[in-house]
Amino acid sequence: EAAVTQSPRNKVAVTGGKVTLSCNQTNNHNNMYWYRQDTGHGLRLIHYSYGAGSTEKGDIPDGYKASRPSQENFSLILELATPSQTSVYFCASGDRCNYAEQFFGPGTRLTVL
Amino acid sequence: SQWGEENLQALSIQEGEDVTMNCSYKTYTTVVQWYRQKSGKGPAQLILIRSNEREKRSGRLRATLDTSSQSSSLSITGTLATDTAVYFCATDETGGYKVVFGSGTRLLVSP
Repeated sequence: EAAVTQSPRNKVAVTGGKVTLSCNQTNNHNNMYWYRQDTGHGLRLIHYSYGAGSTEKGDIPDGYKASRPSQENFSLILELATPSQTSVYFCASGDRCNYAEQFFGPGTRLTVL
Repeated sequence: SQWGEENLQALSIQEGEDVTMNCSYKTYTTVVQWYRQKSGKGPAQLILIRSNEREKRSGRLRATLDTSSQSSSLSITGTLATDTAVYFCATDETGGYKVVFGSGTRLLVSP
């Protein structure tokens, strides 16, 4: 079974609305990550976490919050969604010991109108 | 940016041909990873090469790393149509927690 799952897979939101993207992993990895992917920019790191209760800012954290309530779950929160946040969002997990490899979920396509 | 401009490219080849994709990076890294992303899916790691390795092979894949020129390559021999994907190289900037991805090379393999 898929080790990293994301929900929802597709989301349409209105400008100014709140959006929560959820990620669950069964790899028992300490590290989890949120990226966005836009054409021409590859994958850009938004937030990451070393373990339950921790969140760290990535390269483009503005406009996003993250929450890691447990080892398995990592959420990305857009408090006031804007059209510029229309993108595909990927969650990933990584083992602290073999930290380099990351295992990705299937992605969430978010459209902010 | 961590990456050189040569990452931004698209390649179109016929099935059976060999292909090499290149990337260069600007800062020190302990590892270079290559990921493949098929349409509609998340990226998946193909191969990881460490800074003390010059070459790494895995099936039809061969990765090289030249730390002196800060460049890496991924070669695929005998390509298949199923190799059609975007290929990313990625470096490890912080000694473990943060991987930086290049923009990727879009590879189209026609049957």
